[in-house]
Amino acid sequence: DAGITQSPRYKITETGRQVTLMCHQTWSHSYMFWYRQDLGHGLRLIYYSAAADITDKGEVPDGYVVSRSKTENFPLTLESATRSQTSVYFCASKGPAIYEQYFGPGTRLTVT
Amino acid sequence: GQSLEQPSEVTAVEGAIVQINCTYQTSGFYGLSWYQQHDGGAPTFLSYNALDGLEETGRFSSFLSRSDSYGYLLLQELQMKDSASYFCAVRARSSGDKLTFGTGTRLAVRP
Repeated sequence: DAGITQSPRYKITETGRQVTLMCHQTWSHSYMFWYRQDLGHGLRLIYYSAAADITDKGEVPDGYVVSRSKTENFPLTLESATRSQTSVYFCASKGPAIYEQYFGPGTRLTVT
Repeated sequence: GQSLEQPSEVTAVEGAIVQINCTYQTSGFYGLSWYQQHDGGAPTFLSYNALDGLEETGRFSSFLSRSDSYGYLLLQELQMKDSASYFCAVRARSSGDKLTFGTGTRLAVRP
């Protein structure tokens, strides 16, 4: 499928568990981003990547790990989930020299 | 860092015109974007302004005043399907290709 996809779409996990959210894009966009969205906070950047093997922290990186071994994939791992990480997570991508970010459908994560 | 302010909620009548304002504070400003998000959906890009003035795309227009650190999104001929949240986002030299988003304005269109 063309575009940007995220999996799973919904996830319930327990406190302390490790969970990985997947993001895949088919455009070969160099830039990829992970955001979390919570009521009252809008979209906050967790991590981003300018290219394969290049990642950097965003506004709220604590408790998260990313990797980018291939251009098309950008997984986000919560090493030890906490209730405060209950949120909707969006992955996005963009090409160089363009302004528009393309967002995936989101993953709704609940940590119990 | 950057900060943005936009109203939390706006209500308007179908067929009317509504303006959603956004003020920002940043250093090394590059441009202001607007995104639309329907409930349960993903944000989608609406517009980007790097220079002062009005950009029109169909029923939607976006305005920027760099000297006032201010922009707005103008929605004309409102339709029920325009009920959504609208986010402004700033791109700045200090943040490169990253965006900093406002907290969003929820637009409710009434019949």
